[in-house]
Amino acid sequence: GAVVSQHPSWVICKSGTSVKIECRSLDFQATTMFWYRQFPKQSLMLMATSNEGSKATYEQGVEKDKFLINHASLTLSTLTVTSAHPEDSSFYICSALSLAEAYEQYFGPGTRLTVT
Amino acid sequence: AQTVTQSQPEMSVQEAETVTLSCTYDTSESDYYLFWYKQPPSRQMILVIRQEAYKQQNATENRFSVNFQKAAKSFSLKISDSQLGDAAMYFCAYRRSNDYKLSFGAGTTVTVRA
Repeated sequence: GAVVSQHPSWVICKSGTSVKIECRSLDFQATTMFWYRQFPKQSLMLMATSNEGSKATYEQGVEKDKFLINHASLTLSTLTVTSAHPEDSSFYICSALSLAEAYEQYFGPGTRLTVT
Repeated sequence: AQTVTQSQPEMSVQEAETVTLSCTYDTSESDYYLFWYKQPPSRQMILVIRQEAYKQQNATENRFSVNFQKAAKSFSLKISDSQLGDAAMYFCAYRRSNDYKLSFGAGTTVTVRA
């Protein structure tokens, strides 16, 4: 099956700094990727849709200037949390859309962000 | 907007027994897809089963089967012969046929007793 990786798997950063999370589709090309946020024991909340070569589409209530998304290639999307604050601490999950697999979404293993 | 409701926050099942997780959804669309995802403690999301709304036949994947009632907008998951490895959080999800965004339910945590 299709494999999606995320890096790093866990990151700790200080309040006010920025942190970048990478999402890669390892064995397929993905023109569309999604970024989710998940709090403990809660559901996945879609943050934005990342499209290769164009601007991301953000869900209502998500600050696009705070969560910068770049999808520069068919296998890589990045999420940068700018000026991080403790309330940004969460689990971030990406998924990649596989056109070859009936438009199935394949999920990365997630990144745990802790802001101190 | 589509909403997906999972009314059971937690379910417990004895090993080798059967458990059924409920899911209802709200949509005005006639063509859509429904999914069950498993999220074990590792937090890696795994697709368990997928159902196309235009198919009347219920999808099955080994010990996992669904009861899809389109008119009632219900999509329950049955786990048969439960195993310790089935312990996880299970999410029901919906997407329209012409949109790739998924809407997730709140999730049901399944505990398997040895």
